[in-house]
Amino acid sequence: DSGVTQTPKHLITATGQRVTLRCSPRSGDLSVYWYQQSLDQGLQFLIQYYNGEERAKGNILERFSAQQFPDLHSELNLSSLELGDSALYFCASSPRQGRETQYFGPGTRLLVL
Amino acid sequence: QQQVKQSPQSLIVQKGGISIINCAYENTAFDYFPWYQQFPGKGPALLIAIRPDVSEKKEGRFTISFNKSAKQFSLHIMDSQPGDSATYFCAASGGRNTPLVFGKGTRLSVIA
Repeated sequence: DSGVTQTPKHLITATGQRVTLRCSPRSGDLSVYWYQQSLDQGLQFLIQYYNGEERAKGNILERFSAQQFPDLHSELNLSSLELGDSALYFCASSPRQGRETQYFGPGTRLLVL
Repeated sequence: QQQVKQSPQSLIVQKGGISIINCAYENTAFDYFPWYQQFPGKGPALLIAIRPDVSEKKEGRFTISFNKSAKQFSLHIMDSQPGDSATYFCAASGGRNTPLVFGKGTRLSVIA
């Protein structure tokens, strides 16, 4: 158990809908990272927050947004969902930022029908 | 743009054998190279990491070899066991606010 929690574990929704994925980092970790994992693309970095501020952005679509709240939990919002958004979404956390171990949560499996 | 190329995509090794997974990168600013292990239904977990000031790092049965001039690094799993069956990801990062770039993963199966 990494100490990172993600909810929900599974999510099934329809195209065009909007969903919110939630992540609670390990106690004391200030950085939160979001990744998308699909079969053909591996682990794709989406976005990083550090202590409430956005610090790095990766291949995140404009339909997706995220935020980190004062209690350091983070939410990833996915809107206007398409079939291709079906994937595993992982949240990871680390104490600070940069070259250090990232602790991954168990992931949220999203299926868009 | 794939900045870290990982091979092979899948690997089958006999129990007790050596598993070797290779990664290559292009960005010379990368200076942190971790390997993550992922079991089915779980998130990736850090296995071992290396910085370019050393050419090799060993932790138990797991060894990272690093070749800075060739911009390549590899993971060797000695005496591979069925419990090592998992997907392995190499990754690289090059700065304080530079996110990890992951390879596409290698699915390892260790058969008895």
